[in-house]
Amino acid sequence: ELKVEQNPLFLSMQEGKNYTIYCNYSTTSDRLYWYRQDPGKSLESLFVLLSNGAVKQEGRLMASLDTKARLSTLHITAAVHDLSATYFCAVEVAGTYKYIFGTGTRLKVLA
Amino acid sequence: ETGVTQTPRHLVMGMTNKKSLKCEQHLGHNAMYWYKQSAKKPLELMFVYSLEERVENNSVPSRFSPECPNSSHLFLHLHTLQPEDSALYLCASSQATARAQYFGPGTRLTVL
Repeated sequence: ELKVEQNPLFLSMQEGKNYTIYCNYSTTSDRLYWYRQDPGKSLESLFVLLSNGAVKQEGRLMASLDTKARLSTLHITAAVHDLSATYFCAVEVAGTYKYIFGTGTRLKVLA
Repeated sequence: ETGVTQTPRHLVMGMTNKKSLKCEQHLGHNAMYWYKQSAKKPLELMFVYSLEERVENNSVPSRFSPECPNSSHLFLHLHTLQPEDSALYLCASSQATARAQYFGPGTRLTVL
């Protein structure tokens, strides 16, 4: 059974600090997605990572994928309050439409 | 309308009721998905349709019945639900595999 684990589950950080969210998965895949969900809202796509070594950056967020380690990271640089949300990673079983989501990391950035 | 829309946004139903959730995507995508989001649990993929054919069915109880009449519309028919089925039901679409999914706002379902 494919499992996707995120850590930490909860993260409270000060504005201006850096931190990394980790996403580990249990089977071979080179398709990894990051989403953001604000309270009471739906999910919004952040990054699509489709190969080993892929790195994508948008603003203060940078995502990377290491398929050999079955690990993706979402790095937050100089956090601001607007980044407060729940972040999900999802792994796609290649060649299928099956997506397995992690439990999410609830991020709170304190002013 | 743009993106992915879902109706109704909120639904309260008794265990003996029959209701349907509707999803419509305005993105020209080929695949549509139903997910269940419960508190403290990961999103659970329920059903996937690609080009109107069901390609994934994740051992979902038969009291949930999907329907995809065309590539833009997806329904989830509900009957004799249980209180533990109360959750946020999210619809999503994507152009194909290896593409981001676009999610609708969800239907908050409460089963009494």
